[in-house]
Amino acid sequence: GIQVEQSPPDLILQEGANSTLRCNFSDSVNNLQWFHQNPWGQLINLFYIPSGTKQNGRLSATTVATERYSLLYISSSQTTDSGVYFCAVGGSSYKLIFGSGTRLLVRP
Amino acid sequence: DTEVTQTPKHLVMGMTNKKSLKCEQHMGHRAMYWYKQKAKKPPELMFVYSYEKLSINESVPSRFSPECPNSSLLNLHLHALQPEDSALYLCASSQGGILGVRSPLHFGNGTRLTVT
Repeated sequence: GIQVEQSPPDLILQEGANSTLRCNFSDSVNNLQWFHQNPWGQLINLFYIPSGTKQNGRLSATTVATERYSLLYISSSQTTDSGVYFCAVGGSSYKLIFGSGTRLLVRP
Repeated sequence: DTEVTQTPKHLVMGMTNKKSLKCEQHMGHRAMYWYKQKAKKPPELMFVYSYEKLSINESVPSRFSPECPNSSLLNLHLHALQPEDSALYLCASSQGGILGVRSPLHFGNGTRLTVT
């Protein structure tokens, strides 16, 4: 099956800093989603982005499907950005495969 | 605010109890999912309902029994659970049936289950 690797595993930022999270996958995909899980466990869909670039406020994402990676950019980070960011991918199967996540802590 | 509502938020149950988790969505989504998440791990798929029919069972033990009474509701019936079943249980939905997995997945806030 498809392997998903996220980096870095842990990230600590000062409020206001920018960051880039990476998701590498081992096979071609037709489904890629980024999620944020806050410290209370709520899992929010940030982007559905099997290819191309999207932006939503301070967040943007780019997927280069031919090179099997996706990037999530967080600009001007805020303490509320803390939590775990998951990348999940799907190929020919129905199933979304989740990466292990990047744990982000934004300090005030 | 999430558009997928789960109740209860917290549940503590003994190993001999029977309880149910409930999930509701009013987005007209035709695929609904149960996931289990252990601490510091990603969510793991348990079941998928597509157009109110059970499409996928990821080899889940029979002490977990899903039910989809209608297109908006999803239940997970629990019986004779083990302490290792303690976890966050997440419901999710997406458009268009099982192939709708190729559309955004929307999660509820989860039920934090503790089995004593």
